[in-house]
Amino acid sequence: DAGVTQTPRHEVAEKGQTIILKCEPVSGHNDLFWYRQTKIQGLELLSYFRSKSLMEDGGAFKDRFKAEMLNSSFSTLKIQPTEPKDSAVYLCASSLQGGSNERLFFGHGTKLSVL
Amino acid sequence: GEQVEQRPPHLSVREGDSAVIICTYTDPNSYYFFWYKQEPGAGLQLLMKVFSSTEINEGQGFTVLLNKKDKQLSLNLTAAHPGDSAVYFCAVSFYGSSGNKLIFGIGTLLSVKP
Repeated sequence: DAGVTQTPRHEVAEKGQTIILKCEPVSGHNDLFWYRQTKIQGLELLSYFRSKSLMEDGGAFKDRFKAEMLNSSFSTLKIQPTEPKDSAVYLCASSLQGGSNERLFFGHGTKLSVL
Repeated sequence: GEQVEQRPPHLSVREGDSAVIICTYTDPNSYYFFWYKQEPGAGLQLLMKVFSSTEINEGQGFTVLLNKKDKQLSLNLTAAHPGDSAVYFCAVSFYGSSGNKLIFGIGTLLSVKP
């Protein structure tokens, strides 16, 4: 099942560390999204790429969060430096094309715990 | 800006009962609507995508209703079973000043007890 693949599944970091989360979208998909999921805020958009170009960079997350997409089949989300409030599940999703009007395919997520 | 309110945040029902989750949105020009299901430890999976022109949408074991007058979207599981236990999210697509936007509801944790 060549869906969206996210690694690692779990990450534990100490405050101040740099962590990198990875995502491989569905092959052939042009749009890629990074979301942060918490119980209080629900799903918050961090970044949105179309054909590797950054289309949206969530304003509140700009200072310590950086998403990159160096090729069409791989994206990273770097958090530097981490803070305890960053503890959440980070979801990556892709869609064929069409941005917000198309079905999103989600990965299993990376559960981040910052001590 | 556009907002999507989802309720209830938690819902517990017995097997065979119905379960209803409601989302209310603010932008009357919203035109695509989605329901996603998230099982424990997994990503979100699409249940149904609804177009603004269709009011009643039948799925397998559930119905999605779109009430454009009240700007309300609902998911009705007609006879819930334990396998339906999951977190359910609605999502609403609308056209904003910087292009298409997709807003998710906060999610509803559904527990179906045998």
